[in-house]
Amino acid sequence: DIQMTQSPSSLSASVGDRVTITCRASQSISSYLNWYQQKPGKAPKLLIYAASSLQSGVPSRFSGSGSGTDFTLTISSLQPEDFATYYCQQSYSTPVTFGPGTKVDIK
Amino acid sequence: QVQLVQSGSELKKPGASVKVSCKASGYTFTSYAMNWVRQAPGQGLEWMGWINTNTGNPTYAQGFTGRFVFSLDTSVSTAYLQISSLKAEDTAVYYCARDVLLWFGELSLDWFDPWGQGTLVTVSS
Repeated sequence: DIQMTQSPSSLSASVGDRVTITCRASQSISSYLNWYQQKPGKAPKLLIYAASSLQSGVPSRFSGSGSGTDFTLTISSLQPEDFATYYCQQSYSTPVTFGPGTKVDIK
Repeated sequence: QVQLVQSGSELKKPGASVKVSCKASGYTFTSYAMNWVRQAPGQGLEWMGWINTNTGNPTYAQGFTGRFVFSLDTSVSTAYLQISSLKAEDTAVYYCARDVLLWFGELSLDWFDPWGQGTLVTVSS
């Protein structure tokens, strides 16, 4: 199975901050990497697919980059509604696996 | 709009069974596979497997064989997850999620979108 790790596991940031979350795969997964946002008590929501493609309707302050084993999710200017947990997911091979999540909360 | 609506929360006793439904609307049900994902309380996301909505063929992740069954009723665009012989450790929110697949050059990439709102299954005596 492909193991996904994320760093940091949590972070505190202020509105307007630039936030970067890193996701690493245990083997190369090309661009088979997706990012989801989950707010408490809600279902995950797709933000970025294929490593760097912004899902329709997602604000442009979100961006994704990377290929192979190392990926990043960047929020260029954190907004109040962005406080949530973020998960990366690989779809390169089954079983599909998720990272453990990065919780972004208010400083 | 594309939407997945799941059945409501369930409270079950150990040893009982539960069947969670996931009704799709806004797209052709049989054109997209359906995934199931578990989230235990305070934990991350765990992929349980998927079902081919054309053939009805399910694929289960390790750890979700035997007591877990994926099924379909294509006449009502609904996917089901049945769990039998429930245990306390099955307490979790269960999500269905549509599998979207697109070609990017030579790569066929896929992701989950949208997700159902989740169904909380609580197993307690």
